[in-house]
Amino acid sequence: DAKTTQPTSMDCAEGRAANLPCNHSTISGNEYVYWYRQIHSQGPQYIIHGLKNNETNEMASLIITEDRKSSTLILPHATLRDTAVYYCIVRVENSGTYKYIFGTGTRLKVLA
Amino acid sequence: DTGVSQNPRHKITKRGQNVTFRCDPISEHNRLYWYRQTLGQGPEFLTYFQNEAQLEKSRLLSDRFSAERPKGSFSTLEIQRTEQGDSAMYLCASSLVPLSQGKLFFGSGTQLSVL
Repeated sequence: DAKTTQPTSMDCAEGRAANLPCNHSTISGNEYVYWYRQIHSQGPQYIIHGLKNNETNEMASLIITEDRKSSTLILPHATLRDTAVYYCIVRVENSGTYKYIFGTGTRLKVLA
Repeated sequence: DTGVSQNPRHKITKRGQNVTFRCDPISEHNRLYWYRQTLGQGPEFLTYFQNEAQLEKSRLLSDRFSAERPKGSFSTLEIQRTEQGDSAMYLCASSLVPLSQGKLFFGSGTQLSVL
């Protein structure tokens, strides 16, 4: 059911930018892309979301391609505490109800 | 804002027993979701409430599973006649529509182990 595909794992050096890709080639015009992360034994935590335009907040930046078939989450200066599983999610709308479909995520390891 | 609270944090039960989990969403959040997560997998959608109305149920939710949200506040998820395959983390999330822009706020989950 997942509408997204992500690499299984990635490593990033501390202090460097972490770029996490996501493919969502079957996304529909009104479906948003959300990113969450999950640290072991905790519930997922919201990071950022977008529809068409690039977005930035205090945690990250989201770059969405013009055709909306893929996106990249950027953590500008990764720290050890950013080690987590990152989920790219498409929010599916059906008659006014919303469903968030998670894939298997990318396990990011930030290395000292 | 005290966050989404889930109880218990851990539950160990024997196969065939019934279990019930509770979720207290963030106050006044009108939407509440239940997800199930097994080791190494992303959370799987189970069901969703808009206030007290259960609007959608996944086909993953067999007849042994039932969820309620009386009065549109806390929610319970009951599993009857548990099976070993029910062992998983059960996550609850809440959202305030439209103000929270669709952001889901998750609890820390209830880890169920069926022996």
